[in-house]
Amino acid sequence: EIVLTQSPGTLSLSPGERATLSCRASQSVSSSYLAWYQQKPGQAPRLLIYGASTRATGIPDRFSGSGSGTDFTLTISGLDPEDFAVYYCQQCGGSPYTFGQGTKLEIK
Amino acid sequence: QVQLQESGPGLVKPSETLSLTCIVSGGSISSYKWNWIRQPPGKGLEWIGYIYYSGITDYNPSLKSRVTISVDTSKNQFSLKLNSVAAADTAVYYCARRAAVSGMFYFDYWGQGTLVTVSS
Repeated sequence: EIVLTQSPGTLSLSPGERATLSCRASQSVSSSYLAWYQQKPGQAPRLLIYGASTRATGIPDRFSGSGSGTDFTLTISGLDPEDFAVYYCQQCGGSPYTFGQGTKLEIK
Repeated sequence: QVQLQESGPGLVKPSETLSLTCIVSGGSISSYKWNWIRQPPGKGLEWIGYIYYSGITDYNPSLKSRVTISVDTSKNQFSLKLNSVAAADTAVYYCARRAAVSGMFYFDYWGQGTLVTVSS
């Protein structure tokens, strides 16, 4: 099983700042199978990034993804108040599909 | 626009079977892998398993002995059964579609989720 470890667990920032979220895999993951999701309270996760770096339809360009192998990063440049949420990375190439434990992005 | 809607009992007794259905609208269930994911209150996401429209399944080893996922293509829906439930199975259960585009895999459409509580 591929274990995804996200850091930090909680990130406290102010609107307008830049957020950098990390996702580290226990073994190499094809970039094609690495996705990022945003989840707000009471809502289902929403796809942000797939293929490690491709923005999903309708996702603002302040969201960007990068990385390869075992290290992946989600960057949000210029935080908007609506960006404060929990973010998960996921791999769905190897079974079982796995998610990271999440990073909570909170308002400082 | 594809939409997924979970349905089923919100309360299940310990040792009984949890049964949920996900109805897919706005698109065909043919092609794609159709998934179940759960999220205990205040915790992270856990993949349960998927079914392909042809009936091929794959399950999380942690739940494999208790899980069955089935598909009804005539009704454009798929279902989850989890037997011998316990309090630890209390969670919001989501259904989701796994897309495959240009060799990239990701969950593009999700249901809104349904809370299932295991309690006597």
